[in-house]
Amino acid sequence: SYVLTQPPSVSVAPGRTATITCGGDNIGSKNVHWYQQKPGQAPVLVIYYDTDRPSGIPERFSGSNSGNTATLTISRVEAGDEAGYYCQVWDSSTDHHVVFGGGTKLTVL
Amino acid sequence: EVELVQSGAEVKNPGESLRISCKTSGYSFTNYWIAWVRQMPGKGLEWVGVIDPNDSDTRYSPSFRGQVTISADKSTSTAYLQWSSLKASDTAIYYCARPEDNNDYRVFVYWGQGTLVTVSS
Repeated sequence: SYVLTQPPSVSVAPGRTATITCGGDNIGSKNVHWYQQKPGQAPVLVIYYDTDRPSGIPERFSGSNSGNTATLTISRVEAGDEAGYYCQVWDSSTDHHVVFGGGTKLTVL
Repeated sequence: EVELVQSGAEVKNPGESLRISCKTSGYSFTNYWIAWVRQMPGKGLEWVGVIDPNDSDTRYSPSFRGQVTISADKSTSTAYLQWSSLKASDTAIYYCARPEDNNDYRVFVYWGQGTLVTVSS
């Protein structure tokens, strides 16, 4: 089955830029989606189809995807961005399964 | 407004059966797949499976096939996740989610609030 690899944790100071990666075999050929999950809450979609932002998501959130790595970038990080972040793809090669990365805990210092 | 409202927390003994629900509103229930996602305590998101309420076409993650059953009731716009014999390892929060597009289930825009299932003797 397809595997997505994320760093368990990323730390960043307020106002700086956070970069969260999601690695997978030729992931650049797939569409990557990113979810934010705060403690005790359901996930929220923040980036879909590699680079698109759903309505209501700040422009500070952006995404890219190429080669074997997809990246979620959060500019001008705020305390409220502290959360878990999960990448997700749809793996059409294995019976159309949904695959999540292991998640990255973003800590705002 | 699209809403997915899940049933309340459950505490069960090992070996018991359970069905949790996800009641939807604000859109045509039969036009969109509904997925279930597991989150074990302190862990990440895992895809359980998905159902097309229009014809009950159901697909499961290999990890969950045979362990759970997903169903849907068109008359009440409700999706279900059920177990016939719970194990302690089923303890988790279970989310239902609806995709953005009515043709597939590639990305999930709408999520239920989650149902905590605790299995303990």
